[in-house]
Amino acid sequence: ETGVTQSPTHLIKTRGQQVTLRCSSQSGHNTVSWYQQALGQGPQFIFQYYREEENGRGNFPPRFSGLQFPNYSSELNVNALELDDSALYLCASSLLRERGETQYFGPGTRLLVL
Amino acid sequence: EDQVTQSPEALRLQEGESSSLNCSYTVSGLRGLFWYRQDPGKGPEFLFTLYSAGEEKEKERLKATLTKKESFLHITAPKPEDSATYLCAVRIKSGAGSYQLTFGKGTKLSVIP
Repeated sequence: ETGVTQSPTHLIKTRGQQVTLRCSSQSGHNTVSWYQQALGQGPQFIFQYYREEENGRGNFPPRFSGLQFPNYSSELNVNALELDDSALYLCASSLLRERGETQYFGPGTRLLVL
Repeated sequence: EDQVTQSPEALRLQEGESSSLNCSYTVSGLRGLFWYRQDPGKGPEFLFTLYSAGEEKEKERLKATLTKKESFLHITAPKPEDSATYLCAVRIKSGAGSYQLTFGKGTKLSVIP
């Protein structure tokens, strides 16, 4: 059983650019969630995808968008990058149930916006 | 508003010196409380899930407990390799059929040899 993987590990962009981050979920999981973690803070929920549909969203603007594919992979897209978007971006996969869901995190992508 | 507060922010212990980390929460509709360990620059590593007040889970030197308003992570005779940031998260409904984790800011634990 392979764990959650993310790519790239590090990324540097300039303000106004667009970025795509990728995640490969754990085999058998039907749900992927994305989080943003600023330095010294806990992860903040961006959104969740279940069976390729967005089914929950945190307090993030529409320029944060995502996709989930049938092969367990997922993407996070951020348009019009701002300096405050600099953070560690984490994806987590899980098998969604009413009770007993555990989210397993990938290693993250460190994004720096200059 | 749902809130998760962890204390202390940072904790330095001598090797072998036992202590506890606190996670207090005010949420409606709790669907589980999670503890994760995070090493610098890495993703959180799952430790425990607790669902009901009075529940306890143990793993090596760690023991997690849950009441109706808070959770404790007890560390018995810690070793330097236990040094990390410990994150507490509550699972709450974020929409129809979906759940999200709301995290605290974490407690940074340093264990000195």
